[in-house]
Amino acid sequence: AQSVTQLDSQVPVFEEAPVELRCNYSSSVSVYLFWYVQYPNQGLQLLLKYLSGSTLVKGINGFEAEFNKSQTSFHLRKPSVHISDTAEYFCAVSEGVTGGGNKLTFGTGTQLKVEL
Amino acid sequence: GAVVSQHPSWVICKSGTSVKIECRSLDFQATTMFWYRQFPKQSLMLMATSNEGSKATYEQGVEKDKFLINHASLTLSTLTVTSAHPEDSSFYICSAALSGGVTYEQYFGPGTRLTVT
Repeated sequence: AQSVTQLDSQVPVFEEAPVELRCNYSSSVSVYLFWYVQYPNQGLQLLLKYLSGSTLVKGINGFEAEFNKSQTSFHLRKPSVHISDTAEYFCAVSEGVTGGGNKLTFGTGTQLKVEL
Repeated sequence: GAVVSQHPSWVICKSGTSVKIECRSLDFQATTMFWYRQFPKQSLMLMATSNEGSKATYEQGVEKDKFLINHASLTLSTLTVTSAHPEDSSFYICSAALSGGVTYEQYFGPGTRLTVT
């Protein structure tokens, strides 16, 4: 069975500072990895995904993540955050080789709070 | 593209009544749709996987007679909370996966806030 651990429940950071949100996963097979963002009272928006190929994945809003198979990690980074980045961020993993019909397992989420 | 809508966005109902939530894929066909439940400041918990034209597959601990799921077409899945009680109050989110898609991702709806009084 797959699982996802987000080590930080909250991450406060000042505007224009860099940020890293940590994500580790556990799985016995190859996985697909995702980061989603959720703004208050809204659904989830995909930030980026790793399916295969280059381990450095670039997403929307200036975010990027690096897949590290040996450390089973998929940390999310942004070099300079903005107030508007304040939101909940979820890391998720999917197993299997078929399409999006596979189940996603989510981490517990990290609340990113950007302060002036 | 790949927009998923939910209706209603919020609903208040009395204890003992039933509530139906719709999930629609607006610009694509979705063979598979998922229903999640999210409690305040918590993660999403998968309730069930819904495949068009077949019975939904429920996760362990989810009462299938209480949370009725119907996926009658490639663009619509519904979740009916029957005999709702205050403990059913939650944020319900659906997602849809592209039919035959190769993007290996789910597209999420905006969620439905259910409050049972």
